[in-house]
Amino acid sequence: GENVEQHPSTLSVQEGDSAVIKCTYSDSASNYFPWYKQELGKRPQLIIDIRSNVGEKKDQRIAVTLNKTAKHFSLHITETQPEDSAVYFCAARNQAGTALIFGKGTTLSVSS
Amino acid sequence: DTGVSQNPRHKITKRGQNVTFRCDPISEHNRLYWYRQTLGQGPEFLTYFQNEAQLEKSRLLSDRFSAERPKGSFSTLEIQRTEQGDSAMYLCASSLQEYGYTFGSGTRLTVV
Repeated sequence: GENVEQHPSTLSVQEGDSAVIKCTYSDSASNYFPWYKQELGKRPQLIIDIRSNVGEKKDQRIAVTLNKTAKHFSLHITETQPEDSAVYFCAARNQAGTALIFGKGTTLSVSS
Repeated sequence: DTGVSQNPRHKITKRGQNVTFRCDPISEHNRLYWYRQTLGQGPEFLTYFQNEAQLEKSRLLSDRFSAERPKGSFSTLEIQRTEQGDSAMYLCASSLQEYGYTFGSGTRLTVV
């Protein structure tokens, strides 16, 4: 079945630095790739998503890139702030086009 | 509309008891999903409804689990004969189309 690998599992950066989280997926039929931010004890919140017909998407300090040939996609956060500290999950939609298959998450810590 | 609502927020039950959780999706969303999340992991897909029809079930959904969405609005997830391994956060999500899944805050189940 579909599998999503996410790296790194933890990431520590200084405030103002950039952070990059990478994911690979196994099912070439996947066509939708969202990213979620989850703060401790809270629900996952959608922060950005990309569809397979687009190579890059940007929203203020957050950007996502997709390489369909290599089956990987990445989240880029620029000018990080302490409030960016959270667990970030990537996901890919399964072959049936219904469920999201999630990576295991990256714990991002931004120190001031 | 305040988003996806889940009740209860917390549930502690003894092993062998049955439990039922409720999810109220965003009102215009016709698609509803149940996920399970354990500590340090990403959400794992359990089942998917489109309106009242249950269209997909994960192999994680053993025969002790049953989900319903009788009128295409709220949904319930029941676990019979709970086991300690069922302890997890149970998340519900909804979407209008195949994009933009919105998660609820979850029900944390502890089986003692």
